[in-house]
Amino acid sequence: DAGITQSPRHKVTETGTPVTLRCHQTENHRYMYWYRQDPGHGLRLIHYSYGVKDTDKGEVSDGYSVSRSKTEDFLLTLESATSSQTSVYFCAISEPYGRKKGTDTQYFGPGTRLTVL
Amino acid sequence: AQTVTQSQPEMSVQEAETVTLSCTYDTSESDYYLFWYKQPPSRQMILVIRQEAYKQQNATENRFSVNFQKAAKSFSLKISDSQLGDAAMYFCAYSFPQGGSEKLVFGKGTKLTVNP
Repeated sequence: DAGITQSPRHKVTETGTPVTLRCHQTENHRYMYWYRQDPGHGLRLIHYSYGVKDTDKGEVSDGYSVSRSKTEDFLLTLESATSSQTSVYFCAISEPYGRKKGTDTQYFGPGTRLTVL
Repeated sequence: AQTVTQSQPEMSVQEAETVTLSCTYDTSESDYYLFWYKQPPSRQMILVIRQEAYKQQNATENRFSVNFQKAAKSFSLKISDSQLGDAAMYFCAYSFPQGGSEKLVFGKGTKLTVNP
């Protein structure tokens, strides 16, 4: 299993409060991703990073920001949480695109369940 | 826009039998990857199988195999000799290179029940 941890694993917070989720990897993979999973939607990309301090937006980035100051850590911040951000959040990692076996596969962390009341 | 469609929200199979989960996708790209991920009740996303679009041979991993029809944009998953541990949500995903990275687009999933 890929060495990916997420913290916290569960969090309950109130509307309007800031929330930061952390993804930590021990695989030294260059790319890291944040997804959210909601019933009826599968997984949707929020933001991703292609290197330290290099990030870009995904499909559902509004209301979220990210930071990556070290290869192993990728933070997702909800500046002012809303009830619509209640979801399960997954971090994923991958190696750069190429034709080597397995380098294009994304491996996922265990997920964080966030509830915004 | 790239989309992935799983037309079967739920499927069931008897233990030891074979089941096929359907997936279709829409793309104008010629170079891409396709995946099946399994999500058991633990919520962990587990890679089941991976197919590279430029390879004509269908991928297999033990009891799991795919039927990849590139022209039809179809990528079905066959599970042989189904086991109780196969019960899970199964997600089909499409990956394409963009700006040096890769973007994964997921279908909405198929819930597989395995009956003893």
